[in-house]
Amino acid sequence: EVQLVESGGGLVQPGGSLRLSCAASGFSFSSYAMSWVRQAPGKGLEYVSAISSNGGSTYYANSVKGRVTISRDNSKNTLFLQMGSLRAEDMAVYYCARVGIGAVGIDYWGQGTLVTVSS
Amino acid sequence: QSVLTQPPSASGTPGQRVTISCSGSSSNIGSNYVYWYQQLPGTAPKLLIYKNNQRPSGVPDRFSGSKSGTSASLAISGLRSEDEADYYCAAWDDDLSRDVVFGGGTKLTVL
Repeated sequence: EVQLVESGGGLVQPGGSLRLSCAASGFSFSSYAMSWVRQAPGKGLEYVSAISSNGGSTYYANSVKGRVTISRDNSKNTLFLQMGSLRAEDMAVYYCARVGIGAVGIDYWGQGTLVTVSS
Repeated sequence: QSVLTQPPSASGTPGQRVTISCSGSSSNIGSNYVYWYQQLPGTAPKLLIYKNNQRPSGVPDRFSGSKSGTSASLAISGLRSEDEADYYCAAWDDDLSRDVVFGGGTKLTVL
């Protein structure tokens, strides 16, 4: 069974930093691209960042470019999102999500971790 | 402002058929597959439709997807109370500044 378990969310002050983690299990982690998708309270989904299976290629939405870094440790089946210079508009539930192979889309999602940006 | 446009709400009575539309452009829906996600209250999104009209295993055949040009739609037949959820369309976008784009979501209410 595919499982994605996020951690690292919490309360952070504006301008602060946070590192999100996503522990993956139930599939060959190193074979899949992975992504982070966020959802602000009461709002829709926003594709934030993605990383290729070997970590060699990354994508960042314009809204976070220069402030976040996505990375992965295939030896530990873990995905990361290092976030800095956090703003109120970054407050959201952050979902770790697997990008399926063969154009099946984002096929599995974690339960999400809440990032609250407030003084 | 979402790149893909969906109606904010839709509704139907049990047993009815409802459709949810999703409008995009030539750089996303017009040249790439469309995906649909269901988000039940308080839960993570779940893949409902991929490659325009394919259902992952376990998704009932009451759910179907279609695409024409730069628009797509999700149809739900035999509506049930448990279908009450938010539905999102998504597509890859060929614009260099984007990757995956989502619709703003449609809240489906079962009356």
